[in-house]
Amino acid sequence: EDKVVQSPLSLVVHEGDTVTLNCSYEVTNFRSLLWYKQEKKAPTFLFMLTSSGIEKKSGRLSSILDKKELFSILNITATQTGDSAIYLCAVLPSGGGADGLTFGKGTHLIIQP
Amino acid sequence: EPEVTQTPSHQVTQMGQEVILRCVPISNHLYFYWYRQILGQKVEFLVSFYNNEISEKSEIFDDQFSVERPDGSNFTLKIRSTKLEDSAMYFCASRTGTYGYTFGSGTRLTVV
Repeated sequence: EDKVVQSPLSLVVHEGDTVTLNCSYEVTNFRSLLWYKQEKKAPTFLFMLTSSGIEKKSGRLSSILDKKELFSILNITATQTGDSAIYLCAVLPSGGGADGLTFGKGTHLIIQP
Repeated sequence: EPEVTQTPSHQVTQMGQEVILRCVPISNHLYFYWYRQILGQKVEFLVSFYNNEISEKSEIFDDQFSVERPDGSNFTLKIRSTKLEDSAMYFCASRTGTYGYTFGSGTRLTVV
């Protein structure tokens, strides 16, 4: 059974801090790893990582994948209160275009002013 | 920016009743999905749909569930006889073949 484990499950930091969220996975056939931000309702897409060692960046957020060690990290620098959310990691297996994502439980990030 | 639209946003139903959750995926997307998230738990895959048929389904997606794309734009999830444990947020998602999923805002289903 495919498994995605995120840590920590919750994290409280002050505005301006840098945070690192972790995601490790065990899947039979790996294709990609995705990060989502979930605020009130729908998960919103952040990054899709397929190749090892290539950092993806979007503003203050960045992420990298290590396919040898089977993990990914999501970094957020200079955090703001608007970064407070649940951050979800999910793995997309290979085997055709229609496979479902396996999600981790998420990291609940709270940024205090 | 294109969106996946779900209706209703919240539905309350009595145990044993049938419910239909509706979704309008992004128009040029080819793959369609339903996920659910029970309160406080992780998002779980239910079913994927491609080329007008189910491509993959999880063990959660039993005979009580069905999906349909009746008119080429809507994508529906039907639960035939709801149980209390079906209470959850149901997310529809769609994607092209090469990029990340776009999720809808979800339908909160409450079975009483």
